[in-house]
Amino acid sequence: GNSVTQMEGPVTLSEEAFLTINCTYTATGYPSLFWYVQYPGEGLQLLLKATKADDKGSNKGFEATYRKETTSFHLEKGSVQVSDSAVYFCALSRGKAAGNKLTFGGGTRVLVKP
Amino acid sequence: DTGVSQDPRHKITKRGQNVTFRCDPISEHNRLYWYRQTLGQGPEFLTYFQNEAQLEKSRLLSDRFSAERPKGSFSTLEIQRTEQGDSAMYLCASSLSGDSQETQYFGPGTRLLVL
Repeated sequence: GNSVTQMEGPVTLSEEAFLTINCTYTATGYPSLFWYVQYPGEGLQLLLKATKADDKGSNKGFEATYRKETTSFHLEKGSVQVSDSAVYFCALSRGKAAGNKLTFGGGTRVLVKP
Repeated sequence: DTGVSQDPRHKITKRGQNVTFRCDPISEHNRLYWYRQTLGQGPEFLTYFQNEAQLEKSRLLSDRFSAERPKGSFSTLEIQRTEQGDSAMYLCASSLSGDSQETQYFGPGTRLLVL
């Protein structure tokens, strides 16, 4: 079946540090890949996505590249801010044939200290 | 703002009681999804609708759970004879099928605590 594995947190960083959150997946075919973010007290928000191999998704300074050869979609940001403190979820979708339902990883809590 | 809304935001109930949650999707969205998120875990798919038709149910959705979307707009999720293991955040999301960049938009969730 489909599954997503992401690094466990919490990840604690200082402001302006480099952030990487690892995500690997198992799925048949060619899934779409997503990163969602959940800020304290708020709902899940789509951060970025990529729909095919070698695509790079980017938003708000975050980037992730769809690597089919390593089945990975690692999230990176070059210089984090305190406001980036949140829980980050990697997810996949197998598309219309599978109802576009999302399979999520367990989430990684990130805490950025000033 | 016309995002996805859910009601109530919090629900505390005693074991054995029935509870019902409501989700109002973004108005033009024809797909509606329910997920469950337990503490420290990622959301897990429960079921989804396209318009009023319920197209798939996860095996997580026991026969105590029922979901409806009678007019293809809002949806309700009912849990009968609640158990302590039902304590979780219940998330609703909506999307527009046929959109080549189909994205699910999530509501704030309903947090259920079963005592």
